[in-house]
Amino acid sequence: KAGVTQTPRYLIKTRGQQVTLSCSPISGHRSVSWYQQTPGQGLQFLFEYFSETQRNKGNFPGRFSGRQFSNSRSEMNVSTLELGDSALYLCASSKTSGGVFEQFFGPGTRLTVL
Amino acid sequence: SQELEQSPQSLIVQEGKNLTINCTSSKTLYGLYWYKQKYGEGLIFLMMLQKGGEEKSHEKITAKLDEKKQQSSLHITASQPSHAGIYLCGADKDHFNKFYFGSGTKLNVKP
Repeated sequence: KAGVTQTPRYLIKTRGQQVTLSCSPISGHRSVSWYQQTPGQGLQFLFEYFSETQRNKGNFPGRFSGRQFSNSRSEMNVSTLELGDSALYLCASSKTSGGVFEQFFGPGTRLTVL
Repeated sequence: SQELEQSPQSLIVQEGKNLTINCTSSKTLYGLYWYKQKYGEGLIFLMMLQKGGEEKSHEKITAKLDEKKQQSSLHITASQPSHAGIYLCGADKDHFNKFYFGSGTKLNVKP
């Protein structure tokens, strides 16, 4: 079974631009979550999508948005990039099986904002 | 403040030594997850604990969840350089798939 894939792996943008990151979950997983990881703040939850609907949201500004497609693939968009948005963005694919929440992570997209 | 406190923040051990990493929550945990991360890469799932008093092992790594389900420890026996990385504990908040993580413990194993 293929794991979670994220594209691109690396990205360099300048302030004010926007960026779209993509995530393909494990086959059969309908939930996709996004996280931001920075040295200062650690790993923080952005949002979670399930069956094309945002089910949970973390404490991030509206510049961060996402969506999920019918095939469970998800995209995350950040508009009007700021220097502080430089981070590793991780996508996780999950399912609940027998009451147990199983979550698996992709390799991440390293975003650098100049 | 972090809802999950990990200690220590970093650890340097000699190859072959045992070590323990702790993860403490101020609230009762529904499930506690341990992940390992190599620098700049994704997280690798290690194990998940759900029941108070539960203990799980995988190769040389053992994790326990205390009876009150507010603290977990990860113990590595006879550490090897391959164990180096960042260890993160995570928890599922209120069963609503809103996951949160501790700040991580950076482990370096000297050969």
